[in-house]
Amino acid sequence: SYVLTQSPSVSVAPGETATVTCGGDNIAAKSVHWYQQKPGQAPVLVISYDRDRPSGIPERFSGSNSGNTATLSISRVEAGDEADYFCQVWDSGSDNPYVFGPGTRVTV
Amino acid sequence: QVKLVESGGGVVQPGGSLRVSCAATGFTFRSYGMHWVRQAPGKGLEWMAFVRYDGDKKYYSASVKGRFTISRDNSKNTVILQMSSLRIEDTAVFYCAKELRSGTYAPGPTDTWGQGTLVTVSS
Repeated sequence: SYVLTQSPSVSVAPGETATVTCGGDNIAAKSVHWYQQKPGQAPVLVISYDRDRPSGIPERFSGSNSGNTATLSISRVEAGDEADYFCQVWDSGSDNPYVFGPGTRVTV
Repeated sequence: QVKLVESGGGVVQPGGSLRVSCAATGFTFRSYGMHWVRQAPGKGLEWMAFVRYDGDKKYYSASVKGRFTISRDNSKNTVILQMSSLRIEDTAVFYCAKELRSGTYAPGPTDTWGQGTLVTVSS
């Protein structure tokens, strides 16, 4: 089955840019989606199809996907951005076709 | 507004069965695929199952295939996960989630999640 890798944690100062990466074999051939989850809450979609921002998501959130790495960038980080971030892809040929990455804890 | 409310969680013994439901409001339910995703305490997200908007296509993760069954009732705006042969490692919060786009044939991202229902498998 398709495996996604993420760094366990990222620490960033307020106002700086947080970069969260998601690794996978030729991940650029897939659409990557990103979710934010704060403690005790359900996940929220922050980036879909590599780089699209759903309605209500600040422009500070952006995404890219190239080669073996997809990236979620959060610019001008605020305290409220502190959360776990999960990437996700669909791998149609796999026995586990809908895959989440293990998550990255962003600490501000 | 768009809302999903899960119910049916509880404590069940290993080897037992349980049915969790998700009631949807605020959108044209019959047009959207639906997912079940779970999260064990302190762990990450694990996708369980997807049912297409018309109910005619279903996908499962390898860990639950053959034990869990997803279904939907478009007349009642409800999606159900029937779970059997439950194991201790199935203990988790179970979320239902709605697809971002309507009418999709293959699963995609989800833009609305319920608050989750806790399933505890314990003797």
